[in-house]
Amino acid sequence: AQSVAQPEDQVNVAEGNPLTVKCTYSVSGNPYLFWYVQYPNRGLQFLLKYITGDNLVKGSYGFEAEFNKSQTSFHLKKPSALVSDSALYFCAVRDFNTNAGKSTFGDGTTLTVKP
Amino acid sequence: DTEVTQTPKHLVMGMTNKKSLKCEQHMGHRAMYWYKQKAKKPPELMFVYSYEKLSINESVPSRFSPECPNSSLLNLHLHALQPEDSALYLCASSQDISSGGPYEQFFGPGTRLTVL
Repeated sequence: AQSVAQPEDQVNVAEGNPLTVKCTYSVSGNPYLFWYVQYPNRGLQFLLKYITGDNLVKGSYGFEAEFNKSQTSFHLKKPSALVSDSALYFCAVRDFNTNAGKSTFGDGTTLTVKP
Repeated sequence: DTEVTQTPKHLVMGMTNKKSLKCEQHMGHRAMYWYKQKAKKPPELMFVYSYEKLSINESVPSRFSPECPNSSLLNLHLHALQPEDSALYLCASSQDISSGGPYEQFFGPGTRLTVL
């Protein structure tokens, strides 16, 4: 079985400050991990993914995420938040060995960046 | 072209109507998906097509009928829907799903469906 948890429904940060959106996962095998962003009335947009190798993954729009196997976490980070980063963020996991085609999404975290 | 297109953008239908949602991609992807999404909730997987064959059906009611006419097109036929089926319907594609590959999904903008 695979599952993912986003413990915070809402994250508020001031523009220019660093942001972190948290994600923890559970899989029976090795994980593929993804972050997606959804702006209002739009589809999800891929930001970055972890497959294997370097634990720090860099993605679109200055976002990065750190894979931590011991803590089973994949937190999304950005050094300096922009107001335009305000959106709904989803973490997703897929087990390497099973569940081809089936990603499990977290419940989402709404990020609000205030000027 | 890295875009997934969906038509229509909005659809209002009665419970006795028959309608179809359409999705198209020209990225050469061999996997296509239908998701249902309620407001501020994660997308719920409905169907997955791999190489134009239905690979996954997440126990979706028969009033939803998917069709994959070719590798670029995906349809969702709707019939006798209920008000609780009102939601944003998202189409997505990915390069492949074989061997549990690490392929990200590309999502369309969705069709906002309202069932009266």
